[in-house]
Amino acid sequence: AQKVTQAQTEISVVEKEDVTLDCVYETRDTTYYLFWYKQPPSGELVFLIRRNSFDEQNEISGRYSWNFQKSTSSFNFTITASQVVDSAVYFCALSEAGGGGNKLTFGTGTQLKVEL
Amino acid sequence: DGGITQSPKYLFRKEGQNVTLSCEQNLNHDAMYWYRQDPGQGLRLIYYSQIVNDFQKGDIAEGYSVSREKKESFPLTVTSAQKNPTAFYLCASSSRDGSYEQYFGPGTRLTVT
Repeated sequence: AQKVTQAQTEISVVEKEDVTLDCVYETRDTTYYLFWYKQPPSGELVFLIRRNSFDEQNEISGRYSWNFQKSTSSFNFTITASQVVDSAVYFCALSEAGGGGNKLTFGTGTQLKVEL
Repeated sequence: DGGITQSPKYLFRKEGQNVTLSCEQNLNHDAMYWYRQDPGQGLRLIYYSQIVNDFQKGDIAEGYSVSREKKESFPLTVTSAQKNPTAFYLCASSSRDGSYEQYFGPGTRLTVT
């Protein structure tokens, strides 16, 4: 069975600090997809990134960057120069490819608080 | 604007009553999903549907029912058999290919007393 672990329940930083959110996953499949979602206080999940298991290149999008390492089954998310608007719950999720549909397994989320 | 709508945002019911949560999408997605979120927890899959008139149970389907009569709509009924129905319910949709991300609605917060 697939599993996603986000060991950090809550992180507090001061604005402009860099912060890394950890995600460790377990799967028996060789083909799978990893996702990060942001959940602001309004409650709606916002898609941030998708990465497939064959693409280990790191990705940068503005202040956001993702580090995917198959050797350690990790898909970590870094926010550079954090801002108050980054305050939210962030979820890492895993989807296995195949005929079972696009079922996502979510981690328990990391609450990020960015303070002035 | 394309997106997913869920109504209402907040819903209150008395114990023992069935309640139906609405989910509509205009993204032309084949697949739709219902998740439940409890405080401090991740999302858990209740039901999903990959195509009209077909749906499958997720990890916590007991006490819930769904229908998929139209591509755009995937209503969820929380029945009186659901022991702890108070939760935040999120609907999502995606292309059928497993590589595509799911897009979520704003959610419905259900409180049963």
